Amino acid sequence: NAGVMQNPRHLVRRRGQEARLRCSPMKGHSHVYWYRQLPEEGLKFMVYLQKENIIDESGMPKERFSAEFPKEGPSILRIQQVVRGDSAAYFCASSLGVDEQFFGPGTRLTVL
Amino acid sequence: GNSVTQMEGPVTLSEEAFLTINCTYTATGYPSLFWYVQYPGEGLQLLLKATKADDKGSNKGFEATYRKETTSFHLEKGSVQVSDSAVYFCARNSGNRPGTASKLTFGTGTRLQVTL
Repeated sequence: NAGVMQNPRHLVRRRGQEARLRCSPMKGHSHVYWYRQLPEEGLKFMVYLQKENIIDESGMPKERFSAEFPKEGPSILRIQQVVRGDSAAYFCASSLGVDEQFFGPGTRLTVL
Repeated sequence: GNSVTQMEGPVTLSEEAFLTINCTYTATGYPSLFWYVQYPGEGLQLLLKATKADDKGSNKGFEATYRKETTSFHLEKGSVQVSDSAVYFCARNSGNRPGTASKLTFGTGTRLQVTL
């Protein structure tokens, strides 16, 4: 059973471009979480989605960031008009709807 | 809001030494508590968890006990190995209802380095 998959693993963007990060949850998991990790810091919650619905977006910046988890396909975290401060590792986690979350390997975004 | 406080690292130990990494959490709701481990360049792996007071989580020689009276969830291992070198994160969930899905709040992480 494959774990949580994220792609790309590394993404380089210039300031002002768009970044799209993808997350495929573990088989059978319908709950997806996105977290951001700045260098030498812990993970900060961004958004929690359950198929086609946003459950909690309290950690999501109000502008430029959006997330979706469509009925078919992976969850997408989209960052428009990236700035240098967006450089971080973005982790996705999935769960069955209980308290245990399983993390993917992360996407490391570098903004030049 | 909810928060988790971990001891700052790095922690440097010799192989076979005893390990303690302190973690305390804010006492709101009925949180589940977790320890995750992150190896260089990788995602987080769940190391152990506890869902209610006095529960003990254990895995791979690591243990942590959910202490409600001291709001603590300290990680311990009796004899560390070089392969345990990693960053360890303590976390709690929102805890509105035990065992249910909710976001995790993490501590800042503690880097452990084990030398021969």
